[in-house]
Amino acid sequence: QQQVKQSPQSLIVQKGGISIINCAYENTAFDYFPWYQQFPGKGPALLIAIRPDVSEKKEGRFTISFNKSAKQFSLHIMDSQPGDSATYFCAASNAGTASKLTFGTGTRLQVTL
Amino acid sequence: NAGVMQNPRHLVRRRGQEARLRCSPMKGHSHVYWYRQLPEEGLKFMVYLQKENIIDESGMPKERFSAEFPKEGPSILRIQQVVRGDSAAYFCASSLQGAGTEAFFGQGTRLTVV
Repeated sequence: QQQVKQSPQSLIVQKGGISIINCAYENTAFDYFPWYQQFPGKGPALLIAIRPDVSEKKEGRFTISFNKSAKQFSLHIMDSQPGDSATYFCAASNAGTASKLTFGTGTRLQVTL
Repeated sequence: NAGVMQNPRHLVRRRGQEARLRCSPMKGHSHVYWYRQLPEEGLKFMVYLQKENIIDESGMPKERFSAEFPKEGPSILRIQQVVRGDSAAYFCASSLQGAGTEAFFGQGTRLTVV
């Protein structure tokens, strides 16, 4: 019930391409869905987050798409750059405990030249 | 404005020793969370504390692990009698309030048990 499943485990995208990472959840009480970016040796940093009252949220080159009925959400990175190479984690929580997060297992993204 | 500060960044302990991990939240933040990250895995919630109170420790192992956030000073995650399976990265996060506010993560403490 508390799991968040993330795929793919790793992803290689050419510079300028679109990176797509998918997550699925089971707990219908989740209503806050952030994405975190983590560089080696660093802590996770919040990239973008969405609540289920909207189906899409865009910030710069990063877009979250949310499908409440399917209990799925995804991160799209447009015009991917080598500097985007990092590990990306989706997460979920209840609004009442927005900082008690359940994380996916991570996607290691490599953007090649 | 300094971010969440964790120390030490790296800690090596022999089996059976105690590990003490420290976390100073961002200025003005009174909510602290500890997460553990095993190699090639996502972060797993351990415990949520406010000043002098443990709010949620549902992710803490029942034995050997304890956490505190005193009125003065950093939050401490203590692991007694460490075993090899405790080797992981331990991250602390802090937030201004509890519900509905963003948590900011520190850079983590990488514990290695030899």
